[in-house]
Amino acid sequence: RKEVEQDPGPFNVPEGATVAFNCTYSNSASQSFFWYRQDCRKEPKLLMSVYSSGNEDGRFTAQLNRASQYISLLIRDSKLSDSATYLCVVTSRSWGQNFVFGPGTRLSVLP
Amino acid sequence: GAVVSQHPSRVICKSGTSVKIECRSLDFQATTMFWYRQFPKQSLMLMATSNEGSKATYEQGVEKDKFLINHASLTLSTLTVTSAHPEDSSFYICSAPALAGGPYEQFFGPGTRLTVL
Repeated sequence: RKEVEQDPGPFNVPEGATVAFNCTYSNSASQSFFWYRQDCRKEPKLLMSVYSSGNEDGRFTAQLNRASQYISLLIRDSKLSDSATYLCVVTSRSWGQNFVFGPGTRLSVLP
Repeated sequence: GAVVSQHPSRVICKSGTSVKIECRSLDFQATTMFWYRQFPKQSLMLMATSNEGSKATYEQGVEKDKFLINHASLTLSTLTVTSAHPEDSSFYICSAPALAGGPYEQFFGPGTRLTVL
């Protein structure tokens, strides 16, 4: 089983739609969780950290369920500029530890 | 936020040559840096952990004699792909952890696209 798994995608949604991505991780000792976005042929950029209580940043909401080892990302009112690959990222130690990336879920927001 | 640079951004070389990629932390010190590789339509895969002042730690399946890593200073790590072959063509990205007002974050370089002919 892979350490981090994500919805395979791709997701093709119209502008204004709400879309949710799911991610599961296998290492119960994981401590930090993130969502990154990666545009084609570019490096990953941090979208948001994921906290135990859940957190929201504008149109983006992240949730963490440690018991189920599950992370989600909700995007409301999708924009064309949201089109990208969304990477679920998990680390097992708080510092200096490499990130373990999920395979990513590609999102295309259509006009 | 912290800035990580990579050079070159793109390189095309002949099979059998060696290619050096530099990763620099521009406004912070990084005792640890990470090197990833990404093939088309796949996720980033960790190749090795670069440690300043000591040997790099390689992931299983990554040949340390082929992918030479040198962490010469607190702001510079280099990856040398020796005797490159077409199957080494990939997107190579480095990252370094830094504090950013919350949990440690990884800051990524812009990546180096290597094409081996």
